[in-house]
Amino acid sequence: GAVVSQHPSWVICKSGTSVKIECRSLDFQATTMFWYRQFPKQSLMLMATSNEGSKATYEQGVEKDKFLINHASLTLSTLTVTSAHPEDSSFYICSVSGDQETQYFGPGTRLLVL
Amino acid sequence: AQTVTQSQPEMSVQEAETVTLSCTYDTSENNYYLFWYKQPPSRQMILVIRQEAYKQQNATENRFSVNFQKAAKSFSLKISDSQLGDTAMYFCAFLFQGGSEKLVFGKGTKLTVNP
Repeated sequence: GAVVSQHPSWVICKSGTSVKIECRSLDFQATTMFWYRQFPKQSLMLMATSNEGSKATYEQGVEKDKFLINHASLTLSTLTVTSAHPEDSSFYICSVSGDQETQYFGPGTRLLVL
Repeated sequence: AQTVTQSQPEMSVQEAETVTLSCTYDTSENNYYLFWYKQPPSRQMILVIRQEAYKQQNATENRFSVNFQKAAKSFSLKISDSQLGDTAMYFCAFLFQGGSEKLVFGKGTKLTVNP
């Protein structure tokens, strides 16, 4: 499988600021990465598919200007939450599409917007 | 569109016993993958087991095995010799082979292993 890291693991920010979350594939060149959001006691909700060297594909209802995704290399994708508000507080998880189309997940980032 | 249903929101089992988590799915596709992921309190999603739909043989990984019934669109997970570390949310997921690579998740089953 693939080993995936995320940074930071925890972030607290003030309302109106922007927050960048990094997702790195440590041992696998990932042309495709995924970004999910998870609310407490719920399943994962796919936000967008990140493709290396091209624009991300966003799911219906996800604001692409709010959640900026950049996949500049085969090992790094970033999610920037712009002008964050308290309702953006959540757990954000990235994944890498690896062998046999299996997704391997990062440890997640807890975002709290005050 | 594919859907995944986990009908057991919560389950509990005694340590060392066996438990089965159920999962059904709906698809018109013939080639796909099915997965079970585990999410312990740390919230790290961990792959438990993977099944290719074209394989009739049920996948096994140590104490974890599946009962894959393609005609019935059923994909249950059996955990043998349950351990305290198996306490977690378990998510069943579907992936259409050769498609957009998007995983479709069930709502999850919270499993508690009691000492």
